[in-house]
Amino acid sequence: VQLVESGGGLVQPGKSLKLSCSASGFTFSSYGMHWIRQAPGKGLDWVAYISSSSGTVYADAVKGRFTISRDNAKNTLYLQLNSLKSEDTAIYYCARLTTVATYWGQGVMVTVSS
Amino acid sequence: DIQMTQSPSSLPASLGDRVTITCRASQDIGNYLRWFQQKPGKSPRLMIYGATNLAAGVPSRFSGSRSGSDYSLTISSLESEDMADYYCLQSKESPFTFGAGTKLELK
Repeated sequence: VQLVESGGGLVQPGKSLKLSCSASGFTFSSYGMHWIRQAPGKGLDWVAYISSSSGTVYADAVKGRFTISRDNAKNTLYLQLNSLKSEDTAIYYCARLTTVATYWGQGVMVTVSS
Repeated sequence: DIQMTQSPSSLPASLGDRVTITCRASQDIGNYLRWFQQKPGKSPRLMIYGATNLAAGVPSRFSGSRSGSDYSLTISSLESEDMADYYCLQSKESPFTFGAGTKLELK
């Protein structure tokens, strides 16, 4: 199982960014996937989940601003980040959290600053 | 939303010590509780799932337990490689929620 995030960078407050997570080594379409973030020096913060059938759930802090989606044909998970705030600055991880095992990407840094 | 109250936030300990970290759930989460270890610059590693089950490859000195709404991670004899941050995660219902974390450090 391999998960590789991309798309991070420096962005101004109020702007948008789209993160991608390329998955390999498993049948991507069969699994729900998560985005989890970690602000610098802080703890883990669950962001969003998409089921194998594309049902979605969001943390209150990002609801209405972030959108999780998936393209099973491309084995890719996405996170669209809109109306970004300084408090969204973090490493963003994509993760597959099954009952007995978890798989995480290496994370991608998003910095929101003017 | 379910709140996970994790304690302590910092735990100074010596090699060979028995240490315990605790998370208290604000609502019933059954055994939908996992423990993660995270070292600097690394992605989290699953240590315990289902509150009491050791994940694959995790040393037997780690264990998980539950007493009502209190969930504990115990290391029976601390080794240097165990110095890390530890987080609990409830997955009973969305949104999933992590505890605030415990930094385990050498005394």
